[in-house]
Amino acid sequence: DTGVSQNPRHKITKRGQNVTFRCDPISEHNRLYWYRQTLGQGPEFLTYFQNEAQLEKSRLLSDRFSAERPKGSFSTLEIQRTEQGDSAMYLCASSSSIKGGYTFGSGTRLTVV
Amino acid sequence: AQSVTQLGSHVSVSEGALVLLRCNYSSSVPPYLFWYVQYPNQGLQLLLKYTTGATLVKGINGFEAEFKKSETSFHLTKPSAHMSDAAEYFCAVSGGSQGNLIFGKGTKLSVKP
Repeated sequence: DTGVSQNPRHKITKRGQNVTFRCDPISEHNRLYWYRQTLGQGPEFLTYFQNEAQLEKSRLLSDRFSAERPKGSFSTLEIQRTEQGDSAMYLCASSSSIKGGYTFGSGTRLTVV
Repeated sequence: AQSVTQLGSHVSVSEGALVLLRCNYSSSVPPYLFWYVQYPNQGLQLLLKYTTGATLVKGINGFEAEFKKSETSFHLTKPSAHMSDAAEYFCAVSGGSQGNLIFGKGTKLSVKP
């Protein structure tokens, strides 16, 4: 068990560019979550997958955001036409609907300049 | 709907003193409650969680929390603070059957020598 892995750890991008983050969950976990954490705030839920199905999306997930989990394993979160307000830590978590557990990755810190 | 309120955005204690971090929740269903710790530029590490059963929950690093339904509280305590406890602490409640978490805004704990 290598934990939840997120790449890259840091990303600096110019406003208007597209960025993509990757999350590799714990292998036996069928649930995967994305959260966003801005400075001085707690994490806020963005979206949730059970296997490859995206079952819930927060209102925070604007049309510029898209998440996929094509084979029910790793997931990607893409932000199109980035804005300065997108600067945040993006956290991924995974869990098992059978065994429980809820493990966070170390996050990807996005800075939009 | 679920919500979490953490009283005190910043708590300062002396090394060896009692740590008390306050968390109150709101939930329309029996809650699952969590405490996480976050060190700078890191992800979230689970300290402890309450699901059902015993209301006094013991976690890692000497922390414990007590679920008090009548007070809708889940305060985190540690008898004797250590310098390494300095970090940000988040209380969270599970929101919905999918297990996405609703977080408080966090309490930053400082430990003075």
